[in-house]
Amino acid sequence: DGGITQSPKYLFRKEGQNVTLSCEQNLNHDAMYWYRQDPGQGLRLIYYSQIVNDFQKGDIAEGYSVSREKKESFPLTVTSAQKNPTAFYLCASSRRVQQPQHFGDGTRLSIL
Amino acid sequence: QQPVQSPQAVILREGEDAVINCSSSKALYSVHWYRQKHGEAPVFLMILLKGGEQKGHEKISASFNEKKQQSSLYLTASQLSYSGTYFCGTDRTGNTPLVFGKGTRLSVIA
Repeated sequence: DGGITQSPKYLFRKEGQNVTLSCEQNLNHDAMYWYRQDPGQGLRLIYYSQIVNDFQKGDIAEGYSVSREKKESFPLTVTSAQKNPTAFYLCASSRRVQQPQHFGDGTRLSIL
Repeated sequence: QQPVQSPQAVILREGEDAVINCSSSKALYSVHWYRQKHGEAPVFLMILLKGGEQKGHEKISASFNEKKQQSSLYLTASQLSYSGTYFCGTDRTGNTPLVFGKGTRLSVIA
């Protein structure tokens, strides 16, 4: 079955450390997204990509970086510059930007 | 601009109806509705395009009032399975990423 796989499910970060969250999709979707979800804040867009080798900043891109070297993969790196990284991170994909989005099960990141 | 959802939370008994609103201060091209159950990923429900059309999904339907820039999600004869947080996502051009509201938490009790 097609879908989106995020890994790991839980991740812990030490102070000053960069961590990378994985997102893989086999839906043949062109667009992919990363969202951050905090209690009571809804889904806030970090980065999105409409095609391979291209990506755009969302509303809260500071302290994060992404790459899109393959259509199937859109990893998110939470850098040490992100001072409040504790959150639930969701990856999504869609055929085009205006099409319905399919979400992964999320990664919960915590600070040690 | 983030759309405003109301109410923030609502509790229903099985069989009761509810309406969730999503309002924007800017003209919209489309509104998307998603439901997220506790501990799970959000799931797409429906898209409303400008023009005021109404769509349905089982006993859940929605409308889009272009003049008011507001979409409403209607849940009729609610079931326990309807519990979750409902998010609207708005798009102003048809080619830009969605901006999601903060969500409406719906709890259906027996």
